[in-house]
Amino acid sequence: SQKIEQNSEALNIQEGKTATLTCNYTNYSPAYLQWYRQDPGRGPVFLLLIRENEKEKRKERLKVTFDTTLKQSLFHITASQPADSATYLCALDKGFLNTGFQKLVFGTGTRLLVSP
Amino acid sequence: ETGVTQSPTHLIKTRGQQVTLRCSSQSGHNTVSWYQQALGQGPQFIFQYYREEENGRGNFPPRFSGLQFPNYSSELNVNALELDDSALYLCASSEDRASRETQYFGPGTRLLVL
Repeated sequence: SQKIEQNSEALNIQEGKTATLTCNYTNYSPAYLQWYRQDPGRGPVFLLLIRENEKEKRKERLKVTFDTTLKQSLFHITASQPADSATYLCALDKGFLNTGFQKLVFGTGTRLLVSP
Repeated sequence: ETGVTQSPTHLIKTRGQQVTLRCSSQSGHNTVSWYQQALGQGPQFIFQYYREEENGRGNFPPRFSGLQFPNYSSELNVNALELDDSALYLCASSEDRASRETQYFGPGTRLLVL
């Protein structure tokens, strides 16, 4: 069966360190992978998209890697700050044959806690 | 803020009742997707509307239905509510129906079914 796995345990790190979150998937061949941030009681906010032919994408303190052989994406936040504390979700596209329609399938998310 | 609004913010219903949730898309977006997010889980895709027509559907029963209006606002209707329908319901608008398009999520409607 198809699965997207993110570490369900919270990740606790100290301010200033680099946070690394993992997204593993099985039985998918996504063309795109996206990362979202979600704060409690709010909707997810788009952060980054990486395509299957891209190895790495950066945006300010954020970096995403995508390894289609390992079926894994890593999400890094450098110089982390308490304001980065949130749940981070990865999402893959899933296509439906012959329809041209694609939907996003989300992982369960990993909670990041950055302490001062 | 994304410009996507949802109403109401919270709702309490009893089992068997019907509910309508509303979403106003970001200006210029012709596609809206609805998601159900149970506590501690990621959002699960319910369906997508593109230019007023259902464009795709996830593994949800027919008692979950929707509408998209000419101004691209949208409704999610759930009939015969069950306890397991308690969740955060999110709508997300995008410029087009392709999954590579950034999804702009609203704040969600928290539904509790008793």
